[in-house]
Amino acid sequence: DIQMTQSPSTLSASVGDRVTITCRASQSISVWLAWYQQKPGKDPKLLIYKASTLKSGVPARFSGSGSGTEFTLTISSLQPDDFATYYCQQYSDYCTFGQGTRLEIK
Amino acid sequence: VHLQESGPGLVKPSETLSLTCTVSGGSVNSGSYYWTWFRQPPGKRLEWIGYIYYVGEPHYNSSLKSRLTFSLDTSKNQFSLKLSSVTAADTAVYYCAGDDSSSSGWFYDLWGRGTLVTVSS
Repeated sequence: DIQMTQSPSTLSASVGDRVTITCRASQSISVWLAWYQQKPGKDPKLLIYKASTLKSGVPARFSGSGSGTEFTLTISSLQPDDFATYYCQQYSDYCTFGQGTRLEIK
Repeated sequence: VHLQESGPGLVKPSETLSLTCTVSGGSVNSGSYYWTWFRQPPGKRLEWIGYIYYVGEPHYNSSLKSRLTFSLDTSKNQFSLKLSSVTAADTAVYYCAGDDSSSSGWFYDLWGRGTLVTVSS
């Protein structure tokens, strides 16, 4: 199985900050990576797929980059609605998720 | 298209967990989606359980395969999961989801709200 590791596990930030979350794969997954946002008690919401393609309707402050084994999700200017947990998911070989990054208000 | 999970919230150890996902706004045998199950133990990461399509055999997570059965019920527009011989480690929120068959991979834009299943005597 391909293992996905996110860092940091928790990130404290303020409204307006630029934040970056990193996701590393245990082997190359090319660009077959998605990012999700999940709020407590809710289902995950797809933000980005194919490493950098923004899903229609997702605000442009979200962006993704990377290929191979290292990927990033960047939020350019945090908004109050962005405080949530973020997961990366590889789909190069079946499907596995990172452990999540909890983005909390500083 | 909307998805809604249903099933018992409490299952006894060694028994079979049975969940159903009802599809509305679309047809379970249209070929538009790969119907997928995930679970998320409390405070842990999401785990892919497997999928079923309107044709072909289901695909199961290898770690669960010996205990899993997926099925489609076209008359009720539902798909279902059965997980046998459950233990406390199977306690989780279970989600049904859809992978758009026209997309370039296994990413998920269609999710149910999830249902918590607790395994306890």
